[in-house]
This record gives sequence, structure tokens and C-alpha cells, in this order.
Amino acid sequence: AQSVTQLDSQVPVFEEAPVELRCNYSSSVSVYLFWYVQYPNQGLQLLLKYLSGSTLVKGINGFEAEFNKSQTSFHLRKPSVHISDTAEYFCAVSEEAAGNKLTFGGGTRVLVKP
Amino acid sequence: EADIYQTPRYLVIGTGKKITLECSQTMGHDKMYWYQQDPGMELHLIHYSYGVNSTEKGDLSSESTVSRIRTEHFPLTLESARPSHTSQYLCASRGDRYNSPLHFGNGTRLTVT
Repeated sequence: AQSVTQLDSQVPVFEEAPVELRCNYSSSVSVYLFWYVQYPNQGLQLLLKYLSGSTLVKGINGFEAEFNKSQTSFHLRKPSVHISDTAEYFCAVSEEAAGNKLTFGGGTRVLVKP
Repeated sequence: EADIYQTPRYLVIGTGKKITLECSQTMGHDKMYWYQQDPGMELHLIHYSYGVNSTEKGDLSSESTVSRIRTEHFPLTLESARPSHTSQYLCASRGDRYNSPLHFGNGTRLTVT
């Protein structure tokens, strides 16, 4: 069965500093990986996805993530954050054996300070 | 631009009332989902559907029910609301391929007094 672990529940970071959000998954088969962002009082918005091919994936708003199969990780990074990046970030995994359901991690709250 | 719509955005209602949360999508997706999310917490899948007349319970037990009479419409109903139902409810849909992402609505924030 697939599972997703986001190691940090909250990450405070100063404006213009880099940020990395960690995501590890467990699965015995090929997976598809996603990062979503949730701004206050809104639904989730797709940030980026890894389906196949290049392990470095670029998404919206300057975010990127790297798929590491040997470490079963899909960490999200941004070199310089803005106040507007304050939000909740969710990592998710989908595998064919799971009946086409996405499994979400517990979320990481990013708080960007001026 | 949202292709999946939820109404109402906010709802405050008294205990014992029957409520229906609406969800509609215009993408022709067969697969639709309802998630429950408490503030600042993780998402819990409470219902899903793989097409018309197909509904299944999710990982988190819920007293709500759903129906899927039309592809584009996936309403969630609470027959008798209780304060413990206070939460945010997120509706989502996705395409048929295993690598298709979920598309989310903006959610309904329900408060039961």
C-alpha cells in the first residue's frame, strides 16, 4: 500500500530565502507524484507533477521538485520565496495498484516572514 | 480558472438540519471525490465515484452520503447536521489515466452550531 510522509509540519522562512519541503513515499510499484498548494480558505491547486522522464520537474510560481527513486523522495524547492508563498503544501502519490486514488501527505505549512 | 465548482463557499447551520453541498465539474471526468479537511490539517477521503451510479466510501468514515446521477454532478448530503460535522469539504475530479492529477474546487466551509 502506498503512503506519503511529509517530515515537516511547519517551515518558517524569511522572504527571499530558499526553502525545501521534504516528501517521502512508500510504494512497491511505479508511482506518479504530485505537489499541491493550498492558500487560505481555498481548494488545492496543482503545483507540479512527476510522471516519467527527467527527475527534475519544474512547476508554477518558481517551484521545482526532484524525484529520487532510490531514496523514494520527491522534495520541493524554491530558491527565493515571497510573502505570497505562505500556504499549505501537500505531497501526493498515485499508483496503478491503488485503484486510481491519490494518497496525500499530512501537509507542510510554509510561513514566509518579512 | 476553476473547472470544478462548489456551492456554497460558506455555510453556518443549526444542529439537526439537513444540508446538501453541491459539486459540479465541466471537464467530463468520470472520477470524482469528496475530502474532509479540518483547519490546518490533512485531507481525508470520505467518498468517491468512478462514474454515474457508482459511489464508494473513502478511508475516513463519514455520516454523509453522496449520489452520482449525472457525470458532472456529485452532491454530498448530511441528513442531520451536528457540531462534529464542522469542517471544510473539498470536492475533486480527475481524468481516467493513473497519472492524471486531481482538480479541486474551492471548498465549502461548514459550521454547525
